Amino acid sequence: EVQLVESGGGLVQPGGSLRLSCAASGFTFSSYWMLWVRQAPGRGLEWVANINEDGSHMNYLDSVKGRFTISRDNAKNSLYLHLNSLRAEDAAIYYCVGDRSPTYHSGDTTFYYDAFDIWGQGTVVSVSS
Amino acid sequence: AIQMTQSPSSLSASVGDRVTITCRASQGIRNDLGWYQQKAGKAPELLIYAASSLQSGVPSRFSGSGSGTDFTLTIGSLQPEDSATYYCLQDYNYPRTFGQGTKVEIK
Repeated sequence: EVQLVESGGGLVQPGGSLRLSCAASGFTFSSYWMLWVRQAPGRGLEWVANINEDGSHMNYLDSVKGRFTISRDNAKNSLYLHLNSLRAEDAAIYYCVGDRSPTYHSGDTTFYYDAFDIWGQGTVVSVSS
Repeated sequence: AIQMTQSPSSLSASVGDRVTITCRASQGIRNDLGWYQQKAGKAPELLIYAASSLQSGVPSRFSGSGSGTDFTLTIGSLQPEDSATYYCLQDYNYPRTFGQGTKVEIK
């Protein structure tokens, strides 16, 4: 069964830190871009950060740059998100997501797409004093 | 960051109706767009990628179209299980950005 299971969420004070983990199973983890998407209570979806298959390239939402770090361990089929200097506005459900990254070839050009086809159930991060 | 604007924010329709949701990008994004469905209390699910490619396992009543700045998600014949919030997402550049969502209710 294809599965992503997040852990590590909880209540933290403003300025505090957390490490979220995501355990993958049932698919070739090392072939997938991976990312985190969050959803504040009653709000829409927000892309947070992603990382390529071998962990050499990462991209971040501007508001989390310098505070959050995404990483992965392909030997352990695991994805991580280190959250530092947490703010009230970081409170959300954090989803671990797998991106199949389909490609399309047209002549000499290759087009890359996102396809977030594997989602975890989410882990809740609360930030409050 | 590219702004993605969905309309309407919510709609109510009857079973069997044809439903259309639109998504407009603040700049051209070729066909770098996906659609996601989120049912209450659940994680989102992928419906469409590359603007019009149907994800495996998704019912054929869902379809996507558009290119450039204007995109459409169509539900050909609304079913009770389609009650959900739908989000578009641009993957043209970083940061990726979602639309604000369209809540679909069944009359």
